[in-house]
Amino acid sequence: DTAVSQTPKYLVTQMGNDKSIKCEQNLGHDTMYWYKQDSKKFLKIMFSYNNKELIINETVPNRFSPKSPDKAHLNLHINSLELGDSAVYFCASSQGTGWAYEQYFGPGTRLTVT
Amino acid sequence: QKEVEQNSGPLSVPEGAIASLNCTYSDRGSQSFFWYRQYSGKSPELIMFIYSNGDKEDGRFTAQLNKASQYVSLLIRDSQPSDSATYLCAVRKDSSYKLIFGSGTRLLVRP
Repeated sequence: DTAVSQTPKYLVTQMGNDKSIKCEQNLGHDTMYWYKQDSKKFLKIMFSYNNKELIINETVPNRFSPKSPDKAHLNLHINSLELGDSAVYFCASSQGTGWAYEQYFGPGTRLTVT
Repeated sequence: QKEVEQNSGPLSVPEGAIASLNCTYSDRGSQSFFWYRQYSGKSPELIMFIYSNGDKEDGRFTAQLNKASQYVSLLIRDSQPSDSATYLCAVRKDSSYKLIFGSGTRLLVRP
């Protein structure tokens, strides 16, 4: 299946731990994104890479670090997890950065920090 | 003022009715406008996008854009219970790679 996939789907961890979320797309897209959706369903962009180059870096704590080893992969590493990091994290991809390009979303990773 | 505003709802309509979902945006430089549907526990999926003033129709869905009023809406004709979901409006500025999302409107279609 052609899609955007994320692992893990659920992640429960304790405060202070470090965790990673992985994202892969097999759509041949050049651009990938990380979004955070909070408990009020507000979806906010965190990062975006185009051809492995960081093009969007929103005001996000530097505990969050994205890494794009190649165009098909974008991972998110989170250090020293805090309760407020609990949310659903969505990866997305688009063919390019042009304004008409549709973004395809992965299934999401529900992160719960206890 | 939020960049993209939507009424959180829920908007409740009977099956077969027209559901009208509204969105306003603050930046006049916004160029393209997207409607995403998100079922509970699922990821957003694109319904349609619009970038010219006026109406754009796709099946039971019609997007309407009025740049002068900074207003975009989504009409769903012949609403079905399966349309019950949260509808997210997203806006993109020509100069930016970012999609700015509203907080979504929850739609309930009553059988």
